Amino acid sequence: GNSVTQMEGPVTLSEEAFLTINCTYTATGYPSLFWYVQYPGEGLQLLLKATKADDKGSNKGFEATYRKETTSFHLEKGSVQVSDSAVYFCALPSNAGGTSYGKLTFGQGTILTVHP
Amino acid sequence: DGGITQSPKYLFRKEGQNVTLSCEQNLNHDAMYWYRQDPGQGLRLIYYSQIVNDFQKGDIAEGYSVSREKKESFPLTVTSAQKNPTAFYLCASSKSRFNSNQPQHFGDGTRLSIL
Repeated sequence: GNSVTQMEGPVTLSEEAFLTINCTYTATGYPSLFWYVQYPGEGLQLLLKATKADDKGSNKGFEATYRKETTSFHLEKGSVQVSDSAVYFCALPSNAGGTSYGKLTFGQGTILTVHP
Repeated sequence: DGGITQSPKYLFRKEGQNVTLSCEQNLNHDAMYWYRQDPGQGLRLIYYSQIVNDFQKGDIAEGYSVSREKKESFPLTVTSAQKNPTAFYLCASSKSRFNSNQPQHFGDGTRLSIL
């Protein structure tokens, strides 16, 4: 099945710093790729997604580009805020084509802490 | 607004007791999922259901049971056979089991602890 490797954390930044969280994947075909965010004590929220190679997903100042050549989907933000402190998960369908039945495989999560 | 409702938010289990976590969705989604989240370990799939009256084991089904009698509801029972139930439990849904490239939508979770 498909798999994802996510940058280990925790990541600690000062407010307004540049953020990169690395995510690489192994997959059959070209599945959609997702970033989720989990704020303390809450469930996961879809942050952004990309459905094909060279697509750029973006939301709330975060961006990630689907790189087929490097099998990567790194999350970036130009200027982080304290409110961005959360856990970030990279994810993709568990198997190729219809055999995934909607299941997703998640990375281990990266804890981000932003200090004022 | 459509969404997924998990209840209760906090739950305590005594030794030898079964407890049931509720998950309800009004998104008209076909597929539903239960995950367990432990600190630093990401999400692990317990059970999933693609349609009503059908469900499959995930990666860590031992000590858990589910039912899917209605499209909107997918309750999870943590049985006394689950020796280490303390964790954060997340329920999710997705629109169609036939589309593998769709996101899942999550509830706000239930935190289960042993008394």
